[in-house]
Amino acid sequence: DIQMTQSPSSVSASVGDRVTITCRASQDISSWLAWYQQKPGKAPKLLIYAASSLQSGVPSRFSGSGSGTDFTLTISILQPEDFATYYCQQAHIFPLTFGGGTKVEI
Amino acid sequence: EVQLLESGGGMVQPGGSLRLSCTASGFTFSGYAMSWVRQAPGKGLEWVSAFGTTDGSTFYADSVKGRFTISRDNSRNTLYLQMNSLRAEDAAVYYCARKILVIPRIVYDYWGQGTLVTVSS
Repeated sequence: DIQMTQSPSSVSASVGDRVTITCRASQDISSWLAWYQQKPGKAPKLLIYAASSLQSGVPSRFSGSGSGTDFTLTISILQPEDFATYYCQQAHIFPLTFGGGTKVEI
Repeated sequence: EVQLLESGGGMVQPGGSLRLSCTASGFTFSGYAMSWVRQAPGKGLEWVSAFGTTDGSTFYADSVKGRFTISRDNSRNTLYLQMNSLRAEDAAVYYCARKILVIPRIVYDYWGQGTLVTVSS
C-alpha cells in the first residue's frame, strides 16, 4: 500500500498568515493527489485534485503543487473560516490512502 | 443540487451485521462511481470500498475484504454497504462519496453527512 505522510500534524497560525502543508507519498503517484478540508462534525470538502487543479467554488487562496512523491498545499492568506483539518489522498492505485491530517488552529 | 444521504447506522454487537444505504439525488447516479469512506472517532479518513460504473468492478480495503460487500441499485439511486462480522475497529462514521468525473482517478467531489456505526457488547 502507498503510505501518505503529512507534515506538520498541526500548525498554529493567525488570520492573514501564509500556511504550507506537505504530503509525501511512499512511492511515485504522478500527479494523482487530492486535498480535502474537514471541519468538526462535517464531511470532508474537496479543495484540490490532480495535485494542482482547484475544485470549482474553492477560493483562489488555496493552491496545490508537486508531483511524484512530494506535494504541497498552500493557503496564501489564512481566513477565519480556514481553521480546519486538511487531508491529502493518493488516487494513483488501490487501496486509496489518506494522509494522517494536518490541523490548522489559532 | 447534489445530495447524498446515508442511513442504516447504529449500534451492533461484535460479530453482528449492518447494512448501510446512501440515497443520491440531484445527479445521474448511474453515471458515477461511488465509494464508502470511514472515520473512527477522533481519527483520520480511511477508504473502505469503491464501486465502478462501466463493468461493475468493486474494490475493498484489506481491513474489510471478505466481510463487507458494496453494491448499488441504479433504479433506486442507492449505494449499499453490507457489513458482516463486525469488529470493534469497524466503529466509525461512514461516509458515502461520489467520484469526480473530470479525471480518470478516484477523487471525491461530493460527500454525504455520514452515518455512525458503533460496535460494542
